[in-house]
Amino acid sequence: GDSVTQMEGPVTLSEEAFLTINCTYTATGYPSLFWYVQYPGEGLQLLLKATKADDKGSNKGFEATYRKETTSFHLEKGSVQVSDSAVYFCALSDNFGNEKLTFGTGTRLTIIP
Amino acid sequence: ETGVTQSPTHLIKTRGQQVTLRCSSQSGHNTVSWYQQALGQGPQFIFQYYREEENGRGNFPPRFSGLQFPNYSSELNVNALELDDSALYLCASSDGKAIGNEKLFFGSGTQLSVL
Repeated sequence: GDSVTQMEGPVTLSEEAFLTINCTYTATGYPSLFWYVQYPGEGLQLLLKATKADDKGSNKGFEATYRKETTSFHLEKGSVQVSDSAVYFCALSDNFGNEKLTFGTGTRLTIIP
Repeated sequence: ETGVTQSPTHLIKTRGQQVTLRCSSQSGHNTVSWYQQALGQGPQFIFQYYREEENGRGNFPPRFSGLQFPNYSSELNVNALELDDSALYLCASSDGKAIGNEKLFFGSGTQLSVL
């Protein structure tokens, strides 16, 4: 079945540092790929997405590129801020007629001023 | 603010009891999904309802059941609660026209503790 593997956390960085959170996936067909963010006490929010190979999703300075050859969708940001502290989830949708999402285990990110 | 509200926010039950969790979606959202998020894990898909009928189910036993109502509200029912059912339960809704789930809105969840 489908699965998503994320780098284990927690990750602690200083403000303005470069961020990479690794994500690889296993899926049949051509899934859509997502990064969701969960701030304390809030629901999941879509951060960015990519629906086909070589697409780059971007939002709020975060980027991720759909790499079919390496089955990866790594999240990057050039300069993190304290407000980026949250839990980040990589996820995929198999696009088989429903909106089921398969999530990774999440990576807790803490940014220190 | 996603427009998706869940109630209650916290709930404590004992093993063997039954529980009903509620979700209120945005007007016009005819698709609702439920997820279980255990501590330190990613959310796991329980099932999805589209226009009041189940439209996809994850690897959960039949004691997990749901209902969707015409007024854009829905319920998740869990019978014969087990300790491992302790988790955050998330509801997500959309208008069913999403391509790549870009219009999927999550509620803040109900934290269920089974003692």
